[in-house]
Amino acid sequence: QVQLQESGPGLVKPSETLSLNCSVSGDAIRHYYWTWIRQSPGRGLECIGYTLSGGITYYSHSLKSRATISVDLGKRHFSLKLTSVTAADTAVYYCASGAYGDRLEYWGLGTMVTVSS
Amino acid sequence: QSLLTQPPSVSAAPGQKVTISCSGSSSHIANNYVSWYQQLPGRAPKLLIYDNNKRPSGIPDRFSGSKSDTSATLGITGLQTGDEAEYYCGARDSLTVWVFGGGTKLTVL
Repeated sequence: QVQLQESGPGLVKPSETLSLNCSVSGDAIRHYYWTWIRQSPGRGLECIGYTLSGGITYYSHSLKSRATISVDLGKRHFSLKLTSVTAADTAVYYCASGAYGDRLEYWGLGTMVTVSS
Repeated sequence: QSLLTQPPSVSAAPGQKVTISCSGSSSHIANNYVSWYQQLPGRAPKLLIYDNNKRPSGIPDRFSGSKSDTSATLGITGLQTGDEAEYYCGARDSLTVWVFGGGTKLTVL
């Protein structure tokens, strides 16, 4: 049974850093691809980036300068940090993982993050 | 603007068949596997089709996928009201992160 669960503050002030964790349980610990995706209200899916268990990380070109994704299998979680947030970063943030790079096999339930003062 | 293009909406009656197209460039579709995701209202996306035409365990064979050159298609037969959802195509290559279509809202009339 694979379970992913996002956690973090639901409200972040503009210019601050958004920090989210995705806790991993069950067979997910054997996965290799760890991905963060977001969905702005009423909009489609946007991949922020993903990291491999081996340590290589890839980021969306538009978010590369502000995003950091890391995985800590020992602590059974992977994380996202997004700096200097603005209202445009308001979205539902999903974590996803899987053993294969050609599919987003398992998804968390998502967590809504609002950027507002 | 999404890198993959999908129609904003499709509709059909219960029991009928519908197809959803996804078009893109050679760098995104032609040279990579396409996957499809179903997002029920208020829920997280769920993997529906991977490797262009394979179904994960538990996905009924009413759902099918195909790909030709720079286009992919999701087919759903025997439409049910429970199929009403947003459907996204996605692809990833070794040089970029995941790219998605803008989503297609399926209405079962």
